[in-house]
Amino acid sequence: NAGVMQNPRHLVRRRGQEARLRCSPMKGHSHVYWYRQLPEEGLKFMVYLQKENIIDESGMPKERFSAEFPKEGPSILRIQQVVRGDSAAYFCASSLSSGGAVIQYFGAGTRLSVL
Amino acid sequence: DQQVKQNSPSLSVQEGRISILNCDYTNSMFDYFLWYKKYPAEGPTFLISISSIKDKNEDGRFTVFLNKSAKHLSLHIVPSQPGDSAVYFCAASVGSGGSNYKLTFGKGTLLTVNP
Repeated sequence: NAGVMQNPRHLVRRRGQEARLRCSPMKGHSHVYWYRQLPEEGLKFMVYLQKENIIDESGMPKERFSAEFPKEGPSILRIQQVVRGDSAAYFCASSLSSGGAVIQYFGAGTRLSVL
Repeated sequence: DQQVKQNSPSLSVQEGRISILNCDYTNSMFDYFLWYKKYPAEGPTFLISISSIKDKNEDGRFTVFLNKSAKHLSLHIVPSQPGDSAVYFCAASVGSGGSNYKLTFGKGTLLTVNP
C-alpha cells in the first residue's frame, strides 16, 4: 500500500547550489501537484503536472524553479541557485483524476534548508 | 490576500469532549472544501470533504458543516481522542471550474487533546 513517496526527506544546500526533489505518485495516479509550505504558513500551490506535461505552473516562481514528470520515473522539482528564502517544506500530492471533486493524497514532504 | 482563513492558531480540548475547528473563506467561487490532518514530520492526510451543494457531511467521529451564506465551515470531532492531536488544515477549490485541482489552504489550527 505505497502512498506518495518523496525523497530525500531532508536536504541541506548552500546558497547557489541546486536542489532536486523527487516524488513518486501513488500507484495508478497520473496527476501530480507540488506545494510549498513556508514556516507558520499554509501550503501554497506551485505546479500541476501530468505525464510529460506541465498543466499549470502559475504558482511557481518564474526563475530558478522548474518541474517535470517524465514518462518513466518520478516527478522532479528542481531549484537552481538556491537562496535562503527557498528554505521550506515541499510537498508533493497525487490524484487519480483531475475532474470534479478531487482528493489529493500527500507525501511526507522534503524539508529543504539553505545555509 | 488570504482566501482561506483559520483564525485560531491553536485549540486545547479534554479527551471525550467535542473539538470544533473553524474556517472562513472569502472567494465565493470556492465550491469544494476539504479538511486535512497533519502530524509533525508527515504530510497532510485527507480527513473529510464537502461539496457546496451540501451543508453537512459526516464520517464517523468527524462532521463538517458548511454555511455558504456566511462563507464559513467547521469541523466537529466527537468524541475527541488524544490521537487526534495534530494540525488541521482547511482547504478549498473551485471544483466546477477549470482549475479545480488548485487547493488553497489555511494556515492550520493546532489541536491538542488532553487525556
